Amino acid sequence: GENVEQHPSTLSVQEGDSAVIKCTYSDSASNYFPWYKQELGKGPQLIIDIRSNVGEKKDQRIAVTLNKTAKHFSLHITETQPEDSAVYFCAAGLTGTASKLTFGTGTRLQVTL
Amino acid sequence: DAGVIQSPRHEVTEMGQEVTLRCKPISGHDYLFWYRQTMMRGLELLIYFNNNVPIDDSGMPEDRFSAKMPNASFSTLKIQPSEPRDSAVYFCASSFRVRDTEAFFGQGTRLTVV
Repeated sequence: GENVEQHPSTLSVQEGDSAVIKCTYSDSASNYFPWYKQELGKGPQLIIDIRSNVGEKKDQRIAVTLNKTAKHFSLHITETQPEDSAVYFCAAGLTGTASKLTFGTGTRLQVTL
Repeated sequence: DAGVIQSPRHEVTEMGQEVTLRCKPISGHDYLFWYRQTMMRGLELLIYFNNNVPIDDSGMPEDRFSAKMPNASFSTLKIQPSEPRDSAVYFCASSFRVRDTEAFFGQGTRLTVV
């Protein structure tokens, strides 16, 4: 089965700096890579995703990159703000079939003033 | 749509008692997932359903855990008997296969077994 590793487990940045979270996956068949943000007391919420036919995707201050050869993908947050503080999860899975995702262990991001 | 609705939000029970967690998926979604979240193991998929039929329950930890989906708008996860190590946050999520693989999560049920 799929195995997803995520680093770092905790990340502290100053407001305005960039944050990068990295994930690797094991199953070369995976073609869908979403990122979820979980705020305190809430369920994870999708913030951005990327499919294997694309190497990079950007949405305002958030971008994801995917390297299928190396089987790793990353989340980049620029100009971080205090409201970006949360736990971020990467995941890997397949589109078009069972919507079954394997999640990374999470990164707790703290944006300090 | 109000999103995925879980109840209760918090549950405290004594060891040995039966616990039932409930979930109402987003209307029209044909996949439903139950996840467990702990500090040690992160988010673990326990079981998922497609069109109310259990497809993969390999993540269910023991026979003490069971899940049902009697209709498209309701699912339960039952633990009987409960043990302290079952303490975790349990999430239900649903998705719509044809359009996307995005899973929409509920707010979770925080279970504490004492």
